[in-house]
Amino acid sequence: GAVVSQHPSRVICKSGTSVKIECRSLDFQATTMFWYRQFPKQSLMLMATSNEGSKATYEQGVEKDKFLINHASLTLSTLTVTSAHPEDSSFYICSAFPRGVYGYTFGSGTRLTVV
Amino acid sequence: AQSVTQLDSHVSVSEGTPVLLRCNYSSSYSPSLFWYVQHPNKGLQLLLKYTSAATLVKGINGFEAEFKKSETSFHLTKPSAHMSDAAEYFCVVSEEGGSEKLVFGKGTKLTVNP
Repeated sequence: GAVVSQHPSRVICKSGTSVKIECRSLDFQATTMFWYRQFPKQSLMLMATSNEGSKATYEQGVEKDKFLINHASLTLSTLTVTSAHPEDSSFYICSAFPRGVYGYTFGSGTRLTVV
Repeated sequence: AQSVTQLDSHVSVSEGTPVLLRCNYSSSYSPSLFWYVQHPNKGLQLLLKYTSAATLVKGINGFEAEFKKSETSFHLTKPSAHMSDAAEYFCVVSEEGGSEKLVFGKGTKLTVNP
């Protein structure tokens, strides 16, 4: 139980285009989901907290207009990287915290490459 | 504010020998502490979690960690390394309750040599 499904696992896009990443909780409801970014050989950094039915909370230094987050239902949060540039190339991971379950659950991640 | 320091960026062991991955934390409150493992281009998998119950926590795949408040440490150990243990390991802290945001250590890459 407590599975988080993240799609796509890998995406290559052209500079200037937008990319949407989906994060779904498959067998539980997630009022809150978290989006992380991982640069090569570095740790994960929290980008934003996604709240169902309300605006996301962004960490300091994260451009909210560039990384659009939508959490329209209790099982789906999306991260859209708008007008992507090569420096946005990274590994993005979402997570949720199922109540009563052992620890946070993470998606499998999305490798974004902007060319 | 919480912080996590993983003392080794890279650890190399031989198959069958013990594994020790070191982690020190700083937290203003009673922390929840986690160890996660990440295989290349994969998501994170929870190995174990400490939440103020038993100080010695047993996890999956033979891993365990001991919470030592006096040393503010939460080191991860395994008696005998397998080749499949080669991965990146993250020590993570959150505030009491576990519902707040997580703070990740920088990770320790474990290499297992045949």
